[in-house]
Amino acid sequence: AQSVTQLDSQVPVFEEAPVELRCNYSSSVSVYLFWYVQYPNQGLQLLLKYLSGSTLVKGINGFEAEFNKSQTSFHLRKPSVHISDTAEYFCAVRAQGGSEKLVFGKGTKLTVNP
Amino acid sequence: GAGVSQSPSNKVTEKGKDVELRCDPISGHTALYWYRQRLGQGLEFLIYFQGNSAPDKSGLPSDRFSAERTGESVSTLTIQRTQQEDSAVYLCASSLVWSGRDVESFGQGTRLTVV
Repeated sequence: AQSVTQLDSQVPVFEEAPVELRCNYSSSVSVYLFWYVQYPNQGLQLLLKYLSGSTLVKGINGFEAEFNKSQTSFHLRKPSVHISDTAEYFCAVRAQGGSEKLVFGKGTKLTVNP
Repeated sequence: GAGVSQSPSNKVTEKGKDVELRCDPISGHTALYWYRQRLGQGLEFLIYFQGNSAPDKSGLPSDRFSAERTGESVSTLTIQRTQQEDSAVYLCASSLVWSGRDVESFGQGTRLTVV
């Protein structure tokens, strides 16, 4: 079975500041890793995914994440946030070659203040 | 093109009543998923349909929950004898095929409130 831990339930930052949203996972098998964003009153949207290859993954809206297998982490970063980045961010994993379901973390609410 | 469509967007029901939630996946998508998002929680997997294969029902929380899918089209999630703990946003997602590498498209969800 897999589990995902997002250590920070809320992260407030000022506009143009850098941000890191932390994600750690646990799994007995190799996994694929995902970050989703949910804007207020909208559905989930994929930000980026790690399937294989380079451990640094670039996504939409200037976000990137780095897969660290030894630390079982997949932290999300952005060097300079905008007010429009205010949203809830979910980290998720899916077992390779196993169950098709995504296992999600509880989410991190990012609030960007002017 | 049209995305995943869910209806109703909001549903308020009395405890003990049955409810039916509908999901229209993207045309041609063979895989369909239902997830539940309770307040302050991440998404919990409920059920997965892939083509004509037997669905993976391992996430359904109780026998009050059931889901059907007709071919590769519409799916309905039914909750019988609703309880207050069933209050949540129910999200549907679909994808073209499953390989672990495909990414689901999510609907905007049905917010269910049991009073």
